Parts: sequence; C-alpha cells; structure tokens
Amino acid sequence: GQNIDQPTEMTATEGAIVQINCTYQTSGFNGLFWYQQHAGEAPTFLSYNVLDGLEEKGRFSSFLSRSKGYSYLLLKELQMKDSASYLCAGGNQGGKLIFGQGTELSVKP
Amino acid sequence: DSGVTQTPKHLITATGQRVTLRCSPRSGDLSVYWYQQSLDQGLQFLIQYYNGEERAKGNILERFSAQQFPDLHSELNLSSLELGDSALYFCASSSLEGLDGYTFGSGTRLTVV
Repeated sequence: GQNIDQPTEMTATEGAIVQINCTYQTSGFNGLFWYQQHAGEAPTFLSYNVLDGLEEKGRFSSFLSRSKGYSYLLLKELQMKDSASYLCAGGNQGGKLIFGQGTELSVKP
Repeated sequence: DSGVTQTPKHLITATGQRVTLRCSPRSGDLSVYWYQQSLDQGLQFLIQYYNGEERAKGNILERFSAQQFPDLHSELNLSSLELGDSALYFCASSSLEGLDGYTFGSGTRLTVV
C-alpha cells in the first residue's frame, strides 16, 4: 500500500523560514515530489528527490531520507504569496503519483 | 499556460446525468493521469494512460470511465452523477513515466445539483 502523511496546516511569518515535513510508505518507490497549489488552481511542480540528500532551488529546498521514509520542504525568506497548500507526493515505477492531503501554509505579516 | 489543456473549465449538471471531461496533454507527453479533488480533500488518483493503454487504476468508481485516443488526448466520462461527485477534476501529463514530474491542467470544476 501507499501512505503519505504531512501536517494539515502551518503558520509562519513573512521573511522567516518554514519546514514542512512529509513521511511516506510507498511500494515501488521512485522519487518524492513537492507541489504548490493555490486555492482553486492547478498544482505546480516545485522539486523532486530520488536520492538521499538536499536539493536546492532558490528559496526552496527539499530533503529526502529513503531509509527513514522522510522528506521535508524548506521555504526561506517567506513572502505573502507563498501562502498556499504544499503537496508531498510519492512516485512509483509506473509514473503514478500518490499525493498527501497537503499542508496549508499561512504566511502572516 | 502549462501546455495541458482541459475543457470545459466549469460544468454544472443535475444528478443522474452524464458528462465528459476532456484533456489534451503537453506536446510530447505520452502519459495522462486523472485526479479528483473534493473540497478539503487531497488529490485522489483515478486512472493513468500511457500511449493509449490503461496503465494504472486508482479509486475510480465503476460509474466513471476514461480512454486515451490515438492523438493522445484523453476523456473522462462520469455517469449517473451524484452530489458527492462535485469536485475539481485535474488532468496531468508527463514524459518518461513521470520521472520529470507532472504538468497539470487548470482543471474542470464540476458541480452536481
């Protein structure tokens, strides 16, 4: 079976750093993805980890530990526009992605 | 524009009716995926097609069916609609079996009244 867990909601302050955690159990694991979704809009791809370690892309970084079934998304220098839902998704070898429920991030001034 | 086109953007229909949602994948992508997102719910995987063949099935109801045509566009058919089918339906496409991530369309918002 496949299971993705992440916190339901988080709040952070503009300019700060926030870490969104994700734990997963997936069969045929083939990578861990992070997406951003604003309300009523399509999810947009943020990052992808297939090997252990940290991937950095500007203000966003993502980390993966396959042995622990754990990932996190790190957002630096938070901006108001970063208020959105952040979706963790596990990929399998067929290309299918299983999504977590999403973490609703509220950035406050 | 993500390159994945979904039509229509909005659909309002009555219970018991049948609708068809359409998706054109990004140019060059062979895989198409359908997801359902109800209010306050995560993205629920429905079905995947790869180059015209069904590849994987998720929690898709028997009232729902899909297909991918030779030109790679896909259609999701929803029949005997119930109030609980009201949701956002997203189509996504990918190349290389999803290793580069999905590109999502803007979705179809279905309201069943």
